[in-house]
Amino acid sequence: DAMVIQNPRYQVTQFGKPVTLSCSQTLNHNVMYWYQQKSSQAPKLLFHYYDKDFNNEADTPDNFQSRRPNTSFCFLDIRSPGLGDAAMYLCATSRGGVQETQYFGPGTRLLVL
Amino acid sequence: GESVGLHLPTLSVQEGDNSIINCAYSNSASDYFIWYKQESGKGPQFIIDIRSNMDKRQGQRVTVLLNKTVKHLSLQIAATQPGDSAVYFCAESNTDKLIFGTGTRLQVFP
Repeated sequence: DAMVIQNPRYQVTQFGKPVTLSCSQTLNHNVMYWYQQKSSQAPKLLFHYYDKDFNNEADTPDNFQSRRPNTSFCFLDIRSPGLGDAAMYLCATSRGGVQETQYFGPGTRLLVL
Repeated sequence: GESVGLHLPTLSVQEGDNSIINCAYSNSASDYFIWYKQESGKGPQFIIDIRSNMDKRQGQRVTVLLNKTVKHLSLQIAATQPGDSAVYFCAESNTDKLIFGTGTRLQVFP
């Protein structure tokens, strides 16, 4: 089945130690999104790629970076995780353009010690 | 600025009853709306969407109503089941980005 896959499902890292979360999709969608979701809150968009074009949200900290080496994969790099970065990180994809549904992966829960 | 909000953070319903989850949005330019269901520890799951040229759309046991005059969106779930227990988010868009509401937790009791 076509889907959005996130690995790992749970990630534990140390304060200040770089960490990378990965997302892959078999939907062949043009757009890939990264969201941060904290407990009992709505997902917050960090950035998205439309094909190779990177679109950063104005309030996304520089500590968060992303890479999209090809259509299928997208990575979220947190350069120096702080305690406040502990959250669920969600990847989503869409075909692109307006009025297109976003399909979410299962998320990676990040714990920072 | 733009915002999408919900009136009730928690809704408790008895199994078999109908549920209505409400959402208010503030951007009159939004032309696409989605309801997502999110179970604990999982990603949001698409339920149903509606475009601004419609005021009602029905799916399996779910109906979405859109009132553009008062900028209000609702999700109706018929014959609510225990498996419907989750947090429900509305989202709006007029670009390739979504703006999420704050979420409503639906609790179904026997």
